[in-house]
Amino acid sequence: EAGVAQSPRYKIIEKRQSVAFWCNPISGHATLYWYQQILGQGPKLLIQFQNNGVVDDSQLPKDRFSAERLKGVDSTLKIQPAKLEDSAVYLCASSRGGDRYQETQYFGPGTRLLVL
Amino acid sequence: AQSVSQHNHHVILSEAASLELGCNYSYGGTVNLFWYVQYPGQHLQLLLKYFSGDPLVKGIKGFEAEFIKSKFSFNLRKPSVQWSDTAEYFCAVNAGGTYKYIFGTGTRLKVLA
Repeated sequence: EAGVAQSPRYKIIEKRQSVAFWCNPISGHATLYWYQQILGQGPKLLIQFQNNGVVDDSQLPKDRFSAERLKGVDSTLKIQPAKLEDSAVYLCASSRGGDRYQETQYFGPGTRLLVL
Repeated sequence: AQSVSQHNHHVILSEAASLELGCNYSYGGTVNLFWYVQYPGQHLQLLLKYFSGDPLVKGIKGFEAEFIKSKFSFNLRKPSVQWSDTAEYFCAVNAGGTYKYIFGTGTRLKVLA
């Protein structure tokens, strides 16, 4: 089966600009996750969707970050305006959605963002 | 707040050496535990997971992990590492009944041929 797709793979922007990332999960996967991984740290969950509904966004900085998953398939994550500390790899993952607490997550290649 | 600690940030071993990577978590209730691995140039992928039952779980490529509830630990082991095990290893915890997945900071393993 095809894996989780993400684009772009790399992005360089200046602070205060906006940026958007796109994720296409594995076909049929109901649950979708966005993570932020800062250099030297583990992935930090930003938001989790079940189909097109948000089930957890407690760690999403909502003043600048937004995410949507229209039609329960693809998802976009946006940052507006970007800050220097947003430089990180943004990972998208998906899972089947049968049991959100115990499922294997399948990760995409990530988008590496550099904010200058 | 819940947290996951991986004390070994960098580990260097020779081939055939035994491996043990530590993972400790802070949460007193039911937990689901995972080890993920990222090989150079590849995506994060699941190595093994524990939900309940036998506290010794076996994963892919000869890896195993032991859940010790009294120590809040889920250490990863392999009796004999290979050069191809060079990767970054992440421990992750999902506190039972929540949607929050928390990852450790990772351990970079380098195996010398």
